[in-house]
Amino acid sequence: GAGVSQTPSNKVTEKGKYVELRCDPISGHTALYWYRQSLGQGPEFLIYFQGTGAADDSGLPNDRFFAVRPEGSVSTLKIQRTERGDSAVYLCASSYRDENYGYTFGSGTRLTVV
Amino acid sequence: AQSVTQLGSHVSVSEGALVLLRCNYSSSVPPYLFWYVQYPNQGLQLLLKYTTGATLVKGINGFEAEFKKSETSFHLTKPSAHMSDAAEYFCAAFFGNEKLTFGTGTRLTIIP
Repeated sequence: GAGVSQTPSNKVTEKGKYVELRCDPISGHTALYWYRQSLGQGPEFLIYFQGTGAADDSGLPNDRFFAVRPEGSVSTLKIQRTERGDSAVYLCASSYRDENYGYTFGSGTRLTVV
Repeated sequence: AQSVTQLGSHVSVSEGALVLLRCNYSSSVPPYLFWYVQYPNQGLQLLLKYTTGATLVKGINGFEAEFKKSETSFHLTKPSAHMSDAAEYFCAAFFGNEKLTFGTGTRLTIIP
C-alpha cells in the first residue's frame, strides 16, 4: 500500500481483556517496528522484525506483550490481561531492511484501558 | 547512556518569526539524527535526517537543521513561522542499532 496502515485507529477495552493491534506495512518493506507513545512522551521502542523473525524484542515491557509477523508482512501486537497503564498510542513503522535512514510511521492505534 | 534531549517542552513563536527547537544527544559516537513532526491524531512524519556528509540538512516545509559534533547538537530551525507549523516535534537518533531513540518532544505554538 501507499503507507503504513494501522487498525483499529481507536480501541477501548476493559481492564483484564485481551487486545490485538494490527499493522500493515508498506509493500516490500522487510523491517517492521512497534513503538509505544504515552501521553506527553516520545515514542518508546517495543520490538523490531526483520522478515518474519523478531530481531529485537528488548522493549516489550513484560510477558503480557507479544508480537508476530508470520508471513513477513502484516504484524499483530497482542496484549493479554490489559492494565490501565497500557493505555497509550501504539505506533508501527516500516522500512527497507535496517538501513537506518528513518522509517515510515503509521497513524497509530490509540488504546484506552478502562 | 545514549540519549536524546529536547530543551523546552513548549515553544511559542509569533507568525513570521524564527523557529528554533533544540536537540542534544549523548553518545561517544555521532549517531544518525532525525526530526519528526506529529500533527494531532496523526503519525510521525519525517522532516529531515542527518547520516553523513553535509552537516546542514534541509527538509520539508522550509525546515533545516545543523549537526554540530562539538556541541552534540542538532537544532531545528525555520526562518519564518507559519500557522500550519503548529505541531509536536520530536528529535530522534540511531545509536548504532535498529532502534530509534526519541526525545520527549517540543510542542510548537504559533501566535497570530
